[in-house]
Amino acid sequence: QVQLQESGPGLVKPSQTLSLTCTVSGGSISSGSFYWNWIRQPAGKGLEWIGRIYTSGTTNYNPSLKSRVTISIDTSKNQFSLRLFFVTVADTAVYSCARGYTYDDWFDPWGQGTLVTVSS
Amino acid sequence: QSALTQPASVSGSPGQSITISCSGTSSDVGSYNLVSWYQQHPDKAPKLMIYGANRRPSGVSNRFSGSKSGNTASLTISGLQAEDEADYYCCSYAGSTTFFVFGAGTKVTVL
Repeated sequence: QVQLQESGPGLVKPSQTLSLTCTVSGGSISSGSFYWNWIRQPAGKGLEWIGRIYTSGTTNYNPSLKSRVTISIDTSKNQFSLRLFFVTVADTAVYSCARGYTYDDWFDPWGQGTLVTVSS
Repeated sequence: QSALTQPASVSGSPGQSITISCSGTSSDVGSYNLVSWYQQHPDKAPKLMIYGANRRPSGVSNRFSGSKSGNTASLTISGLQAEDEADYYCCSYAGSTTFFVFGAGTKVTVL
């Protein structure tokens, strides 16, 4: 059973870079018709898709974040990562990673999520 | 403001049926049968409940069903149970520019 776990700093200063890693266990990140996503949820608000990466390295990003986001993948470590540049307080949220299925575009499973606070 | 519109809350008594709507546009819900629904209990990861607008993953109770008409998708929970009390989010593919949009979520309360 595939499981995902986010890791990274819980506090980032404004204008700096948010960096998170998602570790996939119970299966290979390279197997099947899947892609790997980052999704966030500000407190009291809805979910926002950030972007995805395929095993090939192809990426797609939310247009509203595209200029500040990079998602990368390390198949040797079964991990993929998120970097969000020039963060502001508006980027404070619970960040989750999730597996996506290519043909039906659903997300499952999800990681537990990690709270990242942007504050000086 | 979320791209898909959901009611903030829906409630029902045990055993009743409730329906959560998810209103989009012709650029997302209306154009693709790629609507999915997620259940999220407090401090838990979201769980996939419905995909492809009306398909249920194995292991999900058949009390959960999905449908779509025009630009609006719906999730129906029949035979409401206490364990169904959670937040529910809809999501739709929105084309190769926007990719994915979510609703703001609906809090389901079992009275």
